[in-house]
Amino acid sequence: RKEVEQDPGPFNVPEGATVAFNCTYSNSASQSFFWYRQDCRKEPKLLMSVYSSGNEDGRFTAQLNRASQYISLLIRDSKLSDSATYLCVVNERDTGRRALTFGSGTRLQVQP
Amino acid sequence: ETGVTQTPRHLVMGMTNKKSLKCEQHLGHNAMYWYKQSAKKPLELMFVYNFKEQTENNSVPSRFSPECPNSSHLFLHLHTLQPEDSALYLCASSQELGQRYSPLHFGNGTRLTVT
Repeated sequence: RKEVEQDPGPFNVPEGATVAFNCTYSNSASQSFFWYRQDCRKEPKLLMSVYSSGNEDGRFTAQLNRASQYISLLIRDSKLSDSATYLCVVNERDTGRRALTFGSGTRLQVQP
Repeated sequence: ETGVTQTPRHLVMGMTNKKSLKCEQHLGHNAMYWYKQSAKKPLELMFVYNFKEQTENNSVPSRFSPECPNSSHLFLHLHTLQPEDSALYLCASSQELGQRYSPLHFGNGTRLTVT
């Protein structure tokens, strides 16, 4: 089983739609969770951290479900500029690794 | 100055060449990383440095040799690479916070092509 698993997509949605991505992780001791956005041929950029109680930043909402070991990202009122690959990122300290592990990413294409 | 800068942006090298990638962070972070991103694969962690000490070498071949002279600079020395090493090499920095991690800040990356 992959340590951090995401549906690769692509998710093709019309402008204005609401879209949600899930990401599952295998390490139950993980404590740090993030969503990153990566545009084609660019570096990943932090979209938002994910907190235990869930958090919102404008049109973006992130949630954590520790019992089922997944995090989610909800995008409301999609814009063309939201088209990108969204990367789920989780720490793995419990395994002795001292860095963050990235999922393969979910590609979103927002269409006019 | 942007937070994390990498040079060069693009590099083409033959299998017998020796080259180095450079990374500099201006964020005052205490940890720096090299990641490799190949086409259609997730980012792969290569090396981690914390307070200039290498804390992780993720089974990377010896043809990749990292160097961290201080907490702001990180190098990746390359020699006798293979065509399958062609990828985007990303440097990142973060502030280690004990049990938790601060987010990674990435440089623009070096797109490496080995011919």
